[in-house]
Amino acid sequence: NAGVTQTPKFRVLKTGQSMTLLCAQDMNHEYMYWYRQDPGMGLRLIHYSVGEGTTAKGEVPDGYNVSRLKKQNFLLGLESAAPSQTSVYFCASTRHPLRGNKVTDTQYFGPGTRLTVL
Amino acid sequence: AQSVAQPEDQVNVAEGNPLTVKCTYSVSGNPYLFWYVQYPNRGLQFLLKYITGDNLVKGSYGFEAEFNKSQTSFHLKKPSALVSDSALYFCAVRDIDSSASKIIFGSGTRLSIRP
Repeated sequence: NAGVTQTPKFRVLKTGQSMTLLCAQDMNHEYMYWYRQDPGMGLRLIHYSVGEGTTAKGEVPDGYNVSRLKKQNFLLGLESAAPSQTSVYFCASTRHPLRGNKVTDTQYFGPGTRLTVL
Repeated sequence: AQSVAQPEDQVNVAEGNPLTVKCTYSVSGNPYLFWYVQYPNRGLQFLLKYITGDNLVKGSYGFEAEFNKSQTSFHLKKPSALVSDSALYFCAVRDIDSSASKIIFGSGTRLSIRP
């Protein structure tokens, strides 16, 4: 199993450009998440999804959109990139807590995408 | 609202010495607590978690964490540090107000082990 993969690994954008980050998982997990990591601030949740065709806002959703058309993929879009979106982006997934172990909540993370917006 | 605090930005330890990375939590109800580690240019890896039961939780790579309800703490420990333990460590708590298994992360502590 590859686990959680993210593409691309690095990207440099100019202000106003758009892009899509792809997250894929092969563990048949129901729940998927997008975080951003900034120095001294830990990880902050951008958007998440509890199943195919569903998405919800996290702590810092402004400027981002997401889609979950297939269970294994979770896309994060930036419609008009801004320098404040310079960050490292992580995707994570986990099983539904009622499947398998009674309580899981262990999230499995991808390797990250380092995005710079000039 | 649930939260965790990691009071130290950086912890420096000599190889072979015991290490402790501190975490305190604030939750309403029973806490589900986690420790994750991030090696340079990598994603986060799960180390261990506390849900219920024994206050001393054992995890990967020889790490353990002690849950202390009276002090609302969940400190990460290892009896003998290795240089390879140098990394960024995150304490986290499950957001019990969420049905989506959301986790709230602390700001992270950078652990540096000197040879």
